[in-house]
Amino acid sequence: GDSVTQMEGPVTLSEEAFLTINCTYTATGYPSLFWYVQYPGEGLQLLLKATKADDKGSNKGFEATYRKETTSFHLEKGSVQVSDSAVYFCALTSGGSNYKLTFGKGTLLTVNP
Amino acid sequence: DAGVIQSPRHEVTEMGQEVTLRCKPISGHNSLFWYRQTMMRGLELLIYFNNNVPIDDSGMPEDRFSAKMPNASFSTLKIQPSEPRDSAVYFCASSSQGLDQPQHFGDGTRLSIL
Repeated sequence: GDSVTQMEGPVTLSEEAFLTINCTYTATGYPSLFWYVQYPGEGLQLLLKATKADDKGSNKGFEATYRKETTSFHLEKGSVQVSDSAVYFCALTSGGSNYKLTFGKGTLLTVNP
Repeated sequence: DAGVIQSPRHEVTEMGQEVTLRCKPISGHNSLFWYRQTMMRGLELLIYFNNNVPIDDSGMPEDRFSAKMPNASFSTLKIQPSEPRDSAVYFCASSSQGLDQPQHFGDGTRLSIL
């Protein structure tokens, strides 16, 4: 079945540091890939997405590139802020179930001033 | 625009009691999802409705769980009887029709069963 594996946290960085959160997947067919973010006490929000190979999703300074050859969708940001502290989830939809999101376990990011 | 609205935000009740969680999706969205989030199992899809009809309930853990969507603007998730292992955060999400439409999540209901 479909699965998403993300790097385990927690990840702790200083403000303005470079961020990478690794995500790899297994899926049938050609999945669409997503990053969601969950701030404390809130639900998940879509951060960015990519629907085909070599697409780059970007939003709020975050980027991720759909790499079919390595089945990866790593999240990056060049300079993190304290306000980026949150849990980040990699997810996919695939096959005929374009509604069914398969999530990774999430990575807690803490950014210190 | 109002987002997905869930109530209550927190619920604490004793084992064996009936629990009802409520969700109002975003107006115009025709897909609705119920998820459960725990530390051990992460995010799990419980049930998916499309145009008020349950399409996939394979994630509903057992018969104690039931979900309804009587109209396009309201859904409930009921647990009867509740057990301590049902303690979790329950999220409702909605989306519009179409490939790769993002799901919009509510703020969740934190449920504690004593």
